[in-house]
Amino acid sequence: GENVEQHPSTLSVQEGDSAVIKCTYSDSASNYFPWYKQELGKRPQLIIDIRSNVGEKKDQRIAVTLNKTAKHFSLHITETQPEDSAVYFCAASDFGNEKLTFGTGTRLTIIP
Amino acid sequence: NAGVTQTPKFRILKIGQSMTLQCAQDMNHNYMYWYRQDPGMGLKLIYYSVGAGITDKGEVPNGYNVSRSTTEDFPLRLELAAPSQTSVYFCASSYSSPGLAPYFGPGTRLTVL
Repeated sequence: GENVEQHPSTLSVQEGDSAVIKCTYSDSASNYFPWYKQELGKRPQLIIDIRSNVGEKKDQRIAVTLNKTAKHFSLHITETQPEDSAVYFCAASDFGNEKLTFGTGTRLTIIP
Repeated sequence: NAGVTQTPKFRILKIGQSMTLQCAQDMNHNYMYWYRQDPGMGLKLIYYSVGAGITDKGEVPNGYNVSRSTTEDFPLRLELAAPSQTSVYFCASSYSSPGLAPYFGPGTRLTVL
């Protein structure tokens, strides 16, 4: 089955700096890669996703890049703000497989 | 739309007790999922369903059962609760296509003592 590794497990950045979280996946058939943000005590919420026919996708301060050859994808957050502090999860799936496999999460802390 | 709703929000069980976690969605999603999240950890898939009458096991199904008699409801049954089942349980739902990212409910925090 699919295996998703996520790094780093914790990340602290100064407010205004950029944050990058990286994930690798094992199944070359995976073609859908969403990212979730989970604030303390809350539900995971989708923040951005990318399909394998696209190399990069942006939404305001958030971007995701995908390298299919190397089987890794990354989340980039620019101009970080205190409200970006949360746990971020990457995930991967094959459209033929209804199940997402999640990474282990990155706890991002923005230092004012 | 209420989205995905879960009841109860919190529950404490004694070892060996049973209970049902309720989940309902009003978005007419055909796919529904149950995940558990242990403290400080990621999400593990327990069971999922691609439509009414169809269920399948995920990564960690032992100790749980599900049913899907309607599109809207997907209850999770815990039989003979054990301390290892202490966790936060999230129900989620999605359309089958074009994307698969599930929409999560608010969660049920379960403690087994």
